[in-house]
Amino acid sequence: QQQVKQSPQSLIVQKGGISIINCAYENTAFDYFPWYQQFPGKGPALLIAIRPDVSEKKEGRFTISFNKSAKQFSLHIMDSQPGDSATYFCAASKAAGNKLTFGGGTRVLVKP
Amino acid sequence: DAGVTQSPTHLIKTRGQQVTLRCSPKSGHDTVSWYQQALGQGPQFIFQYYEEEERQRGNFPDRFSGHQFPNYSSELNVNALLLGDSALYLCASSSIIWGAGEGEDTQYFGPGTRLTVL
Repeated sequence: QQQVKQSPQSLIVQKGGISIINCAYENTAFDYFPWYQQFPGKGPALLIAIRPDVSEKKEGRFTISFNKSAKQFSLHIMDSQPGDSATYFCAASKAAGNKLTFGGGTRVLVKP
Repeated sequence: DAGVTQSPTHLIKTRGQQVTLRCSPKSGHDTVSWYQQALGQGPQFIFQYYEEEERQRGNFPDRFSGHQFPNYSSELNVNALLLGDSALYLCASSSIIWGAGEGEDTQYFGPGTRLTVL
């Protein structure tokens, strides 16, 4: 059972544009929602994370929007740069330190 | 401050063999989780170790086993390898204060071990 669904599978955006990735979850017990960035041949690196008590969190060019009633959350990458070209994964977990359930990933390509 | 380290980087085995992968957590972290990432997919949780005990386990067969040592480092063992075990195996470390209701949720991942089963 895929508990976290991520879309789109791939995304092409021009330099300076906005990349938007969406995720939906099923388990209402999830209370921690991180986004990870992964470059080829590397492990995932934490980008930004949110808890359900806030609807939005911004760190630099990266923003998470969270809709608890719809059980959806999204990542916005503003002013996309070629260096942002990577695969992005949303994830979810319940309680501190519990296992992460990942989405299927979105491959983002930023064209110069 | 060293991050999460894993060894070896790459490994090639044949079906039926056994393999051991190693992980050293980030300094100050006491919890190690292992994930399997098949090509083009998101990581799948295998199990988590804390205080040298398996605390949580994902939907993986008993061929997958692990161990955590007193210095918090960990090993992942896979017996009777199948072609489908070919994947990137990721180790993630974190620091958890169990029972206090609070903790460091962030899991920091290592670079992974690429296992190829022929």
